[in-house]
Amino acid sequence: AQSVAQPEDQVNVAEGNPLTVKCTYSVSGNPYLFWYVQYPNRGLQFLLKYITGDNLVKGSYGFEAEFNKSQTSFHLKKPSALVSDSALYFCAVRDMGSNDYKLSFGAGTTVTVRA
Amino acid sequence: AAGVIQSPRHLIKEKRETATLKCYPIPRHDTVYWYQQGPGQDPQFLISFYEKMQSDKGSIPDRFSAQQFSDYHSELNMSSLELGDSALYFCASSLRQRLDANTGELFFGEGSRLTVL
Repeated sequence: AQSVAQPEDQVNVAEGNPLTVKCTYSVSGNPYLFWYVQYPNRGLQFLLKYITGDNLVKGSYGFEAEFNKSQTSFHLKKPSALVSDSALYFCAVRDMGSNDYKLSFGAGTTVTVRA
Repeated sequence: AAGVIQSPRHLIKEKRETATLKCYPIPRHDTVYWYQQGPGQDPQFLISFYEKMQSDKGSIPDRFSAQQFSDYHSELNMSSLELGDSALYFCASSLRQRLDANTGELFFGEGSRLTVL
């Protein structure tokens, strides 16, 4: 079984401040981890992924995420948030060893960046 | 670059009616996934197809069915619609058949919003 937890429903930060969105995962084997962003009434846009290798992954729009195997976490970060980063963020996981290819999503975290 | 195309973008139906959603994956992608996202909820996996065969099945109601056609487009058929079926339905595609291990990155369409009155 594979699952994701996003412990925070909402994250509020001021523009220019660091942004962190938390994610922890559970899989039987090794994980493939993803972050997606969703703007109102839009589809999910891929931000970044961790497959293997360097634990720090860099993605679109200045976002990065750090894979921590011991803590089973994959937190999304941005050093300096913009108002335009306000959106709904989903963490997703797939078990590398599973025979199915679907992603399991977390409940989502609403990010609000105030000017 | 071509993306996943879903139609219609919006659909309004009455209870007990039927609805059909269509999905056109990214060219050369061989796998299609359907997800349902209720208001304020995370996307829930419904069903997937690989090379026109059902690959995996999630929390899809028996009233729903889906298939993937020879041109790889997919259709989600929903019958005896209920108020609770009102949601945003996403289709995603990926390329599974690769020489290296497929990383499972899904590319999503903009979604079809179904409203059941």
